[in-house]
Amino acid sequence: GQQVMQIPQYQHVQEGEDFTTYCNSSTTLSNIQWYKQRPGGHPVFLIQLVKSGEVKKQKRLTFQFGEAKKNSSLHITATQTTDVGTYFCAGRGTNSGYALNFGKGTSLLVTP
Amino acid sequence: NAGVTQTPKFQVLKTGQSMTLQCAQDMNHNSMYWYRQDPGMGLRLIYYSASEGTTDKGEVPNGYNVSRLNKREFSLRLESAAPSQTSVYFCASTLGAGSYNEQFFGPGTRLTVL
Repeated sequence: GQQVMQIPQYQHVQEGEDFTTYCNSSTTLSNIQWYKQRPGGHPVFLIQLVKSGEVKKQKRLTFQFGEAKKNSSLHITATQTTDVGTYFCAGRGTNSGYALNFGKGTSLLVTP
Repeated sequence: NAGVTQTPKFQVLKTGQSMTLQCAQDMNHNSMYWYRQDPGMGLRLIYYSASEGTTDKGEVPNGYNVSRLNKREFSLRLESAAPSQTSVYFCASTLGAGSYNEQFFGPGTRLTVL
Protein backbone atom coordinates (compact mmCIF):
# COMPACT_ATOMS: atom_id res chain seq x y z
CA GLY A 1 0.00 0.00 0.00
CA GLN A 2 0.93 3.64 -0.04
CA GLN A 3 3.81 4.41 2.31
CA VAL A 4 4.61 7.61 4.12
CA MET A 5 8.28 7.73 5.12
CA GLN A 6 9.50 10.00 7.86
CA ILE A 7 13.07 11.02 8.73
CA PRO A 8 14.95 11.19 10.95
CA GLN A 9 13.71 8.57 13.41
CA TYR A 10 15.33 10.36 16.35
CA GLN A 11 16.75 13.83 16.94
CA HIS A 12 18.49 15.13 20.02
CA VAL A 13 19.04 18.90 20.22
CA GLN A 14 20.13 21.47 22.75
CA GLU A 15 17.47 23.89 23.84
CA GLY A 16 17.47 26.85 21.47
CA GLU A 17 18.58 24.87 18.42
CA ASP A 18 16.31 24.39 15.43
CA PHE A 19 14.72 21.08 14.44
CA THR A 20 13.26 19.74 11.20
CA THR A 21 11.47 16.49 10.39
CA TYR A 22 10.66 15.38 6.85
CA CYS A 23 7.85 13.32 5.44
CA ASN A 24 8.04 11.71 1.98
CA SER A 25 5.63 9.72 -0.15
CA SER A 26 6.19 7.85 -3.40
CA THR A 27 2.73 8.89 -4.57
CA THR A 28 0.90 12.20 -4.67
CA LEU A 29 -0.94 13.01 -1.46
CA SER A 30 -4.38 14.57 -1.30
CA ASN A 31 -3.57 16.11 2.08
CA ILE A 32 -1.18 15.75 4.98
CA GLN A 33 -1.73 16.12 8.70
CA TRP A 34 0.78 16.52 11.51
CA TYR A 35 0.36 15.21 15.05
CA LYS A 36 2.39 15.49 18.24
CA GLN A 37 2.56 12.81 20.91
CA ARG A 38 4.10 13.62 24.27
CA PRO A 39 5.87 10.76 26.11
CA GLY A 40 3.23 8.48 27.61
CA GLY A 41 0.45 10.43 25.90
CA HIS A 42 -1.73 10.18 22.85
CA PRO A 43 -1.36 11.87 19.43
CA VAL A 44 -2.77 15.38 19.22
CA PHE A 45 -3.59 17.09 15.93
CA LEU A 46 -1.38 20.04 15.01
CA ILE A 47 -2.30 21.06 11.48
CA GLN A 48 -3.48 19.99 8.02
CA LEU A 49 -2.01 21.00 4.66
CA VAL A 50 -3.99 20.55 1.45
CA LYS A 51 -2.67 22.86 -1.27
CA SER A 52 0.48 22.42 -3.33
CA GLY A 53 3.31 24.56 -1.90
CA GLU A 54 1.27 25.49 1.16
CA VAL A 55 3.11 26.96 4.16
CA LYS A 56 1.50 27.40 7.56
CA LYS A 57 2.94 28.75 10.80
CA GLN A 58 2.04 28.20 14.42
CA LYS A 59 4.28 30.35 16.60
CA ARG A 60 7.72 28.65 16.35
CA LEU A 61 6.44 25.80 14.13
CA THR A 62 6.47 26.05 10.34
CA PHE A 63 4.77 23.43 8.18
CA GLN A 64 5.32 23.05 4.44
CA PHE A 65 3.68 20.94 1.74
CA GLY A 66 5.78 20.32 -1.35
CA GLU A 67 4.90 21.61 -4.80
CA ALA A 68 4.39 18.07 -6.07
CA LYS A 69 2.39 17.15 -2.95
CA LYS A 70 4.75 14.24 -2.27
CA ASN A 71 6.61 15.66 0.69
CA SER A 72 6.15 17.79 3.74
CA SER A 73 8.25 19.19 6.55
CA LEU A 74 7.86 20.50 10.07
CA HIS A 75 10.44 23.00 11.28
CA ILE A 76 10.70 24.18 14.88
CA THR A 77 12.71 27.33 15.53
CA ALA A 78 14.56 27.71 18.83
CA THR A 79 13.38 24.50 20.46
CA GLN A 80 12.16 24.45 24.04
CA THR A 81 11.89 21.55 26.47
CA THR A 82 8.13 21.65 25.96
CA ASP A 83 8.71 20.56 22.34
CA VAL A 84 9.81 17.09 23.50
CA GLY A 85 7.75 14.31 21.96
CA THR A 86 7.18 12.35 18.78
CA TYR A 87 5.95 14.12 15.67
CA PHE A 88 3.95 12.15 13.14
CA CYS A 89 2.88 13.01 9.64
CA ALA A 90 -0.15 11.29 8.12
CA GLY A 91 -1.27 11.41 4.53
CA ARG A 92 -3.62 9.83 2.03
CA GLY A 93 -2.70 9.07 -1.54
CA THR A 94 -4.97 10.57 -4.18
CA ASN A 95 -5.71 7.10 -5.50
CA SER A 96 -5.71 5.35 -2.16
CA GLY A 97 -8.52 4.26 0.08
CA TYR A 98 -10.31 6.16 2.71
CA ALA A 99 -7.92 6.24 5.65
CA LEU A 100 -4.74 8.13 6.51
CA ASN A 101 -1.35 6.43 6.54
CA PHE A 102 0.89 7.49 9.40
CA GLY A 103 4.64 7.83 9.19
CA LYS A 104 6.71 6.12 11.87
CA GLY A 105 7.37 9.43 13.58
CA THR A 106 10.38 11.48 14.64
CA SER A 107 11.17 11.46 18.35
CA LEU A 108 12.58 14.78 19.52
CA LEU A 109 14.59 15.09 22.69
CA VAL A 110 15.51 18.59 23.89
CA THR A 111 18.08 19.02 26.63
CA PRO A 112 18.40 22.29 28.55
CA ASN B 1 -16.99 16.90 27.24
CA ALA B 2 -14.74 13.92 27.89
CA GLY B 3 -13.80 13.55 24.21
CA VAL B 4 -12.66 9.99 23.45
CA THR B 5 -12.47 7.58 26.37
CA GLN B 6 -10.97 4.10 26.46
CA THR B 7 -11.16 1.27 28.96
CA PRO B 8 -9.19 -0.34 30.40
CA LYS B 9 -6.01 1.76 30.61
CA PHE B 10 -3.81 -1.26 31.25
CA GLN B 11 -4.33 -4.99 30.76
CA VAL B 12 -2.21 -8.12 31.06
CA LEU B 13 -3.42 -11.28 29.33
CA LYS B 14 -2.13 -14.80 28.95
CA THR B 15 -1.77 -16.28 25.50
CA GLY B 16 -5.13 -17.59 24.31
CA GLN B 17 -7.27 -15.39 26.53
CA SER B 18 -9.85 -13.08 25.03
CA MET B 19 -10.80 -9.54 25.84
CA THR B 20 -12.66 -6.52 24.52
CA LEU B 21 -11.27 -3.00 24.46
CA GLN B 22 -13.94 -0.34 24.83
CA CYS B 23 -14.02 3.08 23.20
CA ALA B 24 -16.61 5.83 23.43
CA GLN B 25 -16.81 9.41 22.16
CA ASP B 26 -19.18 12.19 23.15
CA MET B 27 -18.49 14.59 20.27
CA ASN B 28 -21.26 13.25 18.01
CA HIS B 29 -18.62 12.08 15.54
CA ASN B 30 -19.58 9.78 12.71
CA SER B 31 -16.33 7.89 12.12
CA MET B 32 -14.22 5.88 14.55
CA TYR B 33 -10.90 4.05 14.29
CA TRP B 34 -8.70 1.56 16.09
CA TYR B 35 -4.89 1.82 15.83
CA ARG B 36 -2.03 -0.07 17.38
CA GLN B 37 1.30 1.55 18.18
CA ASP B 38 4.48 -0.45 18.49
CA PRO B 39 7.96 1.01 19.14
CA GLY B 40 9.44 2.39 15.93
CA MET B 41 6.35 1.42 13.91
CA GLY B 42 4.17 4.48 14.20
CA LEU B 43 0.40 4.09 14.18
CA ARG B 44 -1.11 1.27 12.18
CA LEU B 45 -4.82 1.12 11.42
CA ILE B 46 -6.56 -2.06 12.54
CA TYR B 47 -10.21 -1.36 11.69
CA TYR B 48 -12.37 1.67 11.12
CA SER B 49 -16.04 2.55 11.00
CA ALA B 50 -16.95 5.31 8.58
CA SER B 51 -20.44 5.56 10.02
CA GLU B 52 -22.75 3.74 12.38
CA GLY B 53 -23.47 0.30 11.01
CA THR B 54 -20.34 -0.02 8.86
CA THR B 55 -16.87 -1.38 9.58
CA ASP B 56 -13.85 -1.93 7.33
CA LYS B 57 -10.44 -3.53 7.64
CA GLY B 58 -7.36 -1.42 7.92
CA GLU B 59 -3.71 -2.32 7.47
CA VAL B 60 -3.41 -4.97 10.23
CA PRO B 61 -6.83 -6.58 10.93
CA ASN B 62 -5.77 -10.19 11.51
CA GLY B 63 -6.56 -11.46 15.01
CA TYR B 64 -9.08 -8.71 15.74
CA ASN B 65 -12.80 -8.09 15.42
CA VAL B 66 -14.75 -4.89 15.93
CA SER B 67 -18.28 -3.83 16.72
CA ARG B 68 -19.79 -0.41 16.15
CA LEU B 69 -22.34 -0.72 18.92
CA ASN B 70 -23.95 2.66 18.24
CA LYS B 71 -22.81 6.09 17.12
CA ARG B 72 -20.84 6.64 20.35
CA GLU B 73 -19.16 3.30 20.90
CA PHE B 74 -16.66 1.21 18.93
CA SER B 75 -15.17 -1.90 20.54
CA LEU B 76 -12.16 -4.01 19.59
CA ARG B 77 -12.07 -7.71 20.44
CA LEU B 78 -9.14 -10.07 20.66
CA GLU B 79 -10.57 -13.59 20.49
CA SER B 80 -7.35 -15.48 21.29
CA ALA B 81 -4.56 -13.15 22.35
CA ALA B 82 -1.01 -13.73 21.15
CA PRO B 83 2.27 -12.16 22.35
CA SER B 84 2.50 -10.36 18.97
CA GLN B 85 -0.56 -8.36 20.02
CA THR B 86 1.33 -6.74 22.88
CA SER B 87 1.00 -3.07 22.01
CA VAL B 88 -0.59 0.23 22.86
CA TYR B 89 -4.06 0.53 21.34
CA PHE B 90 -5.56 3.89 20.47
CA CYS B 91 -9.11 4.65 19.51
CA ALA B 92 -9.82 7.79 17.49
CA SER B 93 -12.82 9.56 16.03
CA THR B 94 -13.54 12.13 13.34
CA LEU B 95 -16.55 14.27 12.63
CA GLY B 96 -16.89 13.01 9.08
CA ALA B 97 -15.57 10.24 6.92
CA GLY B 98 -12.46 10.75 4.80
CA SER B 99 -8.92 11.81 5.45
CA TYR B 100 -9.55 15.59 5.65
CA ASN B 101 -10.94 15.37 9.15
CA GLU B 102 -8.92 16.00 12.31
CA GLN B 103 -8.53 12.81 14.33
CA PHE B 104 -9.24 12.95 18.07
CA PHE B 105 -7.46 10.21 19.99
CA GLY B 106 -8.28 8.53 23.26
CA PRO B 107 -5.67 8.03 26.01
CA GLY B 108 -4.82 4.49 24.91
CA THR B 109 -4.89 0.96 26.35
CA ARG B 110 -1.53 -0.62 27.15
CA LEU B 111 -1.87 -4.36 26.56
CA THR B 112 0.68 -7.03 27.42
CA VAL B 113 0.18 -10.62 26.32
CA LEU B 114 2.37 -13.15 28.13
